[in-house]
Amino acid sequence: QSALTQPASVSGSPGQSIAISCTGTNSDVGNYDLVSWYQQHPGKAPKLIIFEVSKWPSGVSNRFSGSKSGNTASLTISGLQAEDEADYYCCSYAAGSTYVFGTGTKVTVL
Amino acid sequence: EVQLVESGGGLVQPGGSLRLSCAASGFTFSRHWMTWVRQAPGKGLEWVANIKEDGREKFYVDSVKGRFTISRDNANNVLYLQMNSLRAEDTAVYYCARNIAYSWECWGQGSLVAVSS
Repeated sequence: QSALTQPASVSGSPGQSIAISCTGTNSDVGNYDLVSWYQQHPGKAPKLIIFEVSKWPSGVSNRFSGSKSGNTASLTISGLQAEDEADYYCCSYAAGSTYVFGTGTKVTVL
Repeated sequence: EVQLVESGGGLVQPGGSLRLSCAASGFTFSRHWMTWVRQAPGKGLEWVANIKEDGREKFYVDSVKGRFTISRDNANNVLYLQMNSLRAEDTAVYYCARNIAYSWECWGQGSLVAVSS
């Protein structure tokens, strides 16, 4: 149950695209197409933005997109906006009906 | 409106116990797996435990096994987390969340648990 690995920080200018990686193992990310992504603003509860690797919950902007290759999942934010500045976490279903989160990435809009 | 409201957090001494509650409304509680996720101050999210719709299956992160118990009351739409033998490293904001498609699209506002002497 080791945390998935994410970059500590990613930054970009308004309008640009950025990508956040999420690296796990054959026991979690690599074995299930059950990666989700969460956005968290300071002092707030997390918000689901991607589930099952690349699907959008109702009401979430399609500027957020997800993908996966092998043991690494990725979140891309297109057309970066000021309101996208937040912490982002990936999460994967793992063996034995457990889950593991990523270490988290702070996104800064320059 | 779907709503989850946690309560029961507070300051407790190491070795002590606390029970968190999560009151659910706006949806059919008995049809969803439910989960507790925690976040230590300034740290990332950690999945803690989840429970099947009927309460018969429960799963825990290794660090809380044998100390925490997740349960639910489907008649009253309440999720619980009984926490015993609390340690300083259990200090965190605890969120309850509703499962859907192996993810969590509805979260409570969180309840702070502080373990300190």
